[in-house]
Amino acid sequence: DTVLTQSPALAVSPGERVSISCRASEGVNSYMHWYQQKPGQQPKLLIYKASNLASGVPARFSGSGSGTDFTLTIDPVEADDTATYFCQQSWNDPRTFGGGTKLELK
Amino acid sequence: EVQLVETGGGLVQPGRSLKLSCVASGFTFNNYWMSWTRQAPGKGLEWVASITNSGGSTYYPDSVKGRFTISRDNAQNTLYLQMNSLRSEDTATYYCTRDNSGYWFAYWGQGTLVTVSS
Repeated sequence: DTVLTQSPALAVSPGERVSISCRASEGVNSYMHWYQQKPGQQPKLLIYKASNLASGVPARFSGSGSGTDFTLTIDPVEADDTATYFCQQSWNDPRTFGGGTKLELK
Repeated sequence: EVQLVETGGGLVQPGRSLKLSCVASGFTFNNYWMSWTRQAPGKGLEWVASITNSGGSTYYPDSVKGRFTISRDNAQNTLYLQMNSLRSEDTATYYCTRDNSGYWFAYWGQGTLVTVSS
């Protein structure tokens, strides 16, 4: 299975820019997607196919990357962005998720 | 507005069975693949099963293949997950998701908790 590696946690101040990384154990082309999960809620799609913003998602969120290295960027970060962010690949079978990066606001 | 409402979770003993349901609304159900994805308490996400819009094809990871069966009733806008031979490691919140043709999970329900314990 394709293993997706994310840093466990990040802490940033409101108004700053933050980049959340996801590294795949093998190439996934551009088939990397990002989700936001706030405490006690279900995940929500943010970015699909590496860089495409999902419907209704603020333009503060953006995605980049291809192959094995991908980044979710939030600029500027707002207090409401406190959440865990998961990457997910769908190029290789089975579809797999990263372990999540918990974003905390200082 | 897309809505996905899961039911059927609960406490079940190891080795027993449970069937989850998900009622969909706000979109044309038979136009979309659907999936189940789960999250163990305090853990990450794991894809569990997918079904094509017609129901003609189904897909599973090895961890549940042969034990879980995904199905759908397009006339009732309902997705199902039949879970047999349940194990403690199947304990998780199970989410119904609208699937973009096997690629990303566009919409998620609120989830239903399944606890496998004696």
